[in-house]
Amino acid sequence: DADVTQTPRNRITKTGKRIMLECSQTKGHDRMYWYRQDPGLGLRLIYYSFDVKDINKGEISDGYSVSRQAQAKFSLSLESAIPNQTALYFCATSDALSEVTSYNEQFFGPGTRLTVL
Amino acid sequence: RKEVEQDPGPFNVPEGATVAFNCTYSNSASQSFFWYRQDCRKEPKLLMSVYSSGNEDGRFTAQLNRASQYISLLIRDSKLSDSATYLCVVNGGGYNKLIFGAGTRLAVHP
Repeated sequence: DADVTQTPRNRITKTGKRIMLECSQTKGHDRMYWYRQDPGLGLRLIYYSFDVKDINKGEISDGYSVSRQAQAKFSLSLESAIPNQTALYFCATSDALSEVTSYNEQFFGPGTRLTVL
Repeated sequence: RKEVEQDPGPFNVPEGATVAFNCTYSNSASQSFFWYRQDCRKEPKLLMSVYSSGNEDGRFTAQLNRASQYISLLIRDSKLSDSATYLCVVNGGGYNKLIFGAGTRLAVHP
């Protein structure tokens, strides 16, 4: 089974609808992230969470909200979807940083392709 | 200016060729550097980290030039399976913040 899973894998919705994308992980990582990917722009960070009680905005959080229901689950919501939120969304996880490392590898889920009409 | 810039390509090369990708980053305080590989419609996966002294992993060699804020990836003896998009990634923050380039697409043909 995959370590990081995302549901749904594909979703088509209409403008104004509320959408929730879900992410689950079995890696035991504390840190979880939500990114979106658009052609020509690379991945951009939407929200990140260090643990269940610690949630932070990324560079493009407007129009999105998140919920960290448990260490293993991190959901992304679009309260009122708009067409420019059409993108490929990735969830990622990583271990917490230690005193000696400034980086821990991020492991990505398979992505959710969202289309807002 | 984008924080991490890459030539989008595509680079079309025959099997067995050597190909090099370059990447520049704008934040001189960046601490860690990586190349990720992304297959079409799939998730990014770490290919290799990039160290100041340069590092090699089989057919792949990565180099970092901090003075010029420049990162490179060299692929020797290209295989069909190397066809993918290669993302230059820079870690610039204390919370494991990754800044992704838009990627360089490589197509290896027979």
